[in-house]
Amino acid sequence: AQSVTQLDSQVPVFEEAPVELRCNYSSSVSVYLFWYVQYPNQGLQLLLKYLSGSTLVKGINGFEAEFNKSQTSFHLRKPSVHISDTAEYFCAVSLSYSGNTPLVFGKGTRLSVIA
Amino acid sequence: NAGVTQTPKFQVLKTGQSMTLQCAQDMNHEYMSWYRQDPGMGLRLIHYSVGAGITDQGEVPNGYNVSRSTTEDFPLRLLSAAPSQTSVYFCASRDLSGTVGNEQFFGPGTRLTVL
Repeated sequence: AQSVTQLDSQVPVFEEAPVELRCNYSSSVSVYLFWYVQYPNQGLQLLLKYLSGSTLVKGINGFEAEFNKSQTSFHLRKPSVHISDTAEYFCAVSLSYSGNTPLVFGKGTRLSVIA
Repeated sequence: NAGVTQTPKFQVLKTGQSMTLQCAQDMNHEYMSWYRQDPGMGLRLIHYSVGAGITDQGEVPNGYNVSRSTTEDFPLRLLSAAPSQTSVYFCASRDLSGTVGNEQFFGPGTRLTVL
C-alpha cells in the first residue's frame, strides 16, 4: 500500500522569505501526487498535482512542486510567502493505474508566516 | 453549483447516541468518500464509494456505516457514538470519467464532539 510522510509538522517562516514543505511517498507502483491546502476552519482545496510529464508542476498562489522519482519526493516550494499563506498543507498520493483508488494523505504541515 | 455540502456543521452527542452526517454533491461525481481529521493525524479515510450501490472500507471504518443509494448522497452513520469519534469529518467527491487523477473536492466539514 502507498503511504505519505510529511517530514515537518510545523514550519514557521518570515513574510517574503522562501519556503519548502517536504513530502516523501512510498509505493511499489507508479502514483499520482497532490498538494492540498486547508485554511483555518475550512475544507481542503487543491494547490497542484503531478500526473505525468514535466517534473516541475506549478499551482495556484505561486506555489510549485517538483517530482523526484529517484528520491520518491514531491516537495512544495514558494519563493516568497505572504501572511495569507498561513494554513495547513497536505501531501497526498493515489495509485496511477486506476482512477478510482482513494487518496492517501500525509499528516500535514502547518505553515505559519510571521510578519 | 453548490459543490459538496455537509450538514450539520457542528454536533454534540452523548456516548451511545447514534446520528447521521449528511453529504451531498451536485457535480454528478461517481466517487465519494469520508475522512476524519484529528490533530497530528492528518486525514484518514473512513469509507468510500465509486458509484451508487458500491461502498468499500478505508483505513478506519470501525464504528461507521455508509450507504450510497443515489449518485448525489453519501451519508455517514455513527451507530453508537464514542468519545474516540470526536473529530472533524470531511466528505469529498471526484469525477471518475475522462482523465484520471481528477481533482477531489471537499465539503466544509462537520465538527463532532462526543461527550
